[in-house]
Amino acid sequence: DQQVKQNSPSLSVQEGRISILNCDYTNSMFDYFLWYKKYPAEGPTFLISISSIKDKNEDGRFTVFLNKSAKHLSLHIVPSQPGDSAVYFCAARIYIQGAQKLVFGQGTRLTINP
Amino acid sequence: NAGVTQTPKFQVLKTGQSMTLQCAQDMNHEYMSWYRQDPGMGLRLIHYSVGAGITDQGEVPNGYNVSRSTTEDFPLRLLSAAPSQTSVYFCASSYALAGAHFQYFGAGTRLSVL
Repeated sequence: DQQVKQNSPSLSVQEGRISILNCDYTNSMFDYFLWYKKYPAEGPTFLISISSIKDKNEDGRFTVFLNKSAKHLSLHIVPSQPGDSAVYFCAARIYIQGAQKLVFGQGTRLTINP
Repeated sequence: NAGVTQTPKFQVLKTGQSMTLQCAQDMNHEYMSWYRQDPGMGLRLIHYSVGAGITDQGEVPNGYNVSRSTTEDFPLRLLSAAPSQTSVYFCASSYALAGAHFQYFGAGTRLSVL
């Protein structure tokens, strides 16, 4: 039962263009959604998040959009840069018995071509 | 500024051997967790702890034990390694507050069980 899904295993984008990474979820009890970025041989690092009560959050070149009715969120990177090449994980937070838990998607490998 | 430190970085075990993956954080975080990352599966929660002396099971706990005797340390023990436990393991920590919704990850331990 995959509660958080990233259906695109990989994405290739030209440098300077917009990168759009997508994520779908099934559990309406998630209260925060997060994006993590992961380089090879490193741990995931937090990138940006959005509360379930908002529909957009922006931080520099990164914007996350949340469509609660569709249970869908997306990460926009504009303009894309070579350093953005990494694996991006979508994650959703839920509180169960007083403990926060993150449920991760499968990840999307983003490649920015010069 | 160490953050979350995992040791070892790499390990090869034979089936049936036991070992402990170490995790330490210096941020005084109450919440710590262990994930495993497998191709096409994202990160899956193994065990977590909301504070010293308190641990609980995550999504895939079988074959793993944890303990939390101090705030700083959260070791993961494999009692009898199996090839199915070949994976990359990540430890993470965060404040156990409602507003602290993202976790800091270590660099990971790559484990191979032959």
